[in-house]
Amino acid sequence: GDSVTQMEGPVTLSEEAFLTINCTYTATGYPSLFWYVQYPGEGLQLLLKATKADDKGSNKGFEATYRKETTSFHLEKGSVQVSDSAVYFCALRVDRGSTLGRLYFGRGTQLTVWP
Amino acid sequence: IAGITQAPTSQILAAGRRMTLRCTQDMRHNAMYWYRQDLGLGLRLIHYSNTAGTTGKGEVPDGYSVSRANTDDFPLTLASAVPSQTSVYFCASSRLAGGSTDTQYFGPGTRLTVL
Repeated sequence: GDSVTQMEGPVTLSEEAFLTINCTYTATGYPSLFWYVQYPGEGLQLLLKATKADDKGSNKGFEATYRKETTSFHLEKGSVQVSDSAVYFCALRVDRGSTLGRLYFGRGTQLTVWP
Repeated sequence: IAGITQAPTSQILAAGRRMTLRCTQDMRHNAMYWYRQDLGLGLRLIHYSNTAGTTGKGEVPDGYSVSRANTDDFPLTLASAVPSQTSVYFCASSRLAGGSTDTQYFGPGTRLTVL
């Protein structure tokens, strides 16, 4: 079935460090891929997305490239800030029949950035 | 524009009691979703509705029911709560059910504790 495997945390970094959070997927068909972020006490917000192979999603300094050959969508940021501390979720969506519109989430990765 | 509102914010409930979690969106979105978030498991889909008048089962529907009488409201009911339903519940909506431009927006969540 369709699923997402996400790097387990927690991840702890110093401010201005480089961030990578790994995400791989299994899907039948051609999924759209997403990264959502959840700040403490809040709901999830869409961070970025890519809808086809080789697309790069980007937002707020974060990037992720849809790699079909490695079935991956790793999240990266060149220089993290304390305000990036949050839980990050990778998700996929395969738009077909019975699963139209449904998102499948990874388990989430807690990121803590220290000043 | 409020987006998605959920009520209550939090609730402590005795096992065996009936409980309805409310969700309202003001974006005129067609599709709505209920997820539960459990530590280490990410978000799992409980029920969904692609349009008013229709509903479907997600990954973990047992013990829950939903209705979609109109576009804006999508209540989730626990007929007889059990401790394993202790979780944080998120409602989400999207303009369409799927498609490359479709994005799910999330409410702030309801924290439910069943004793």
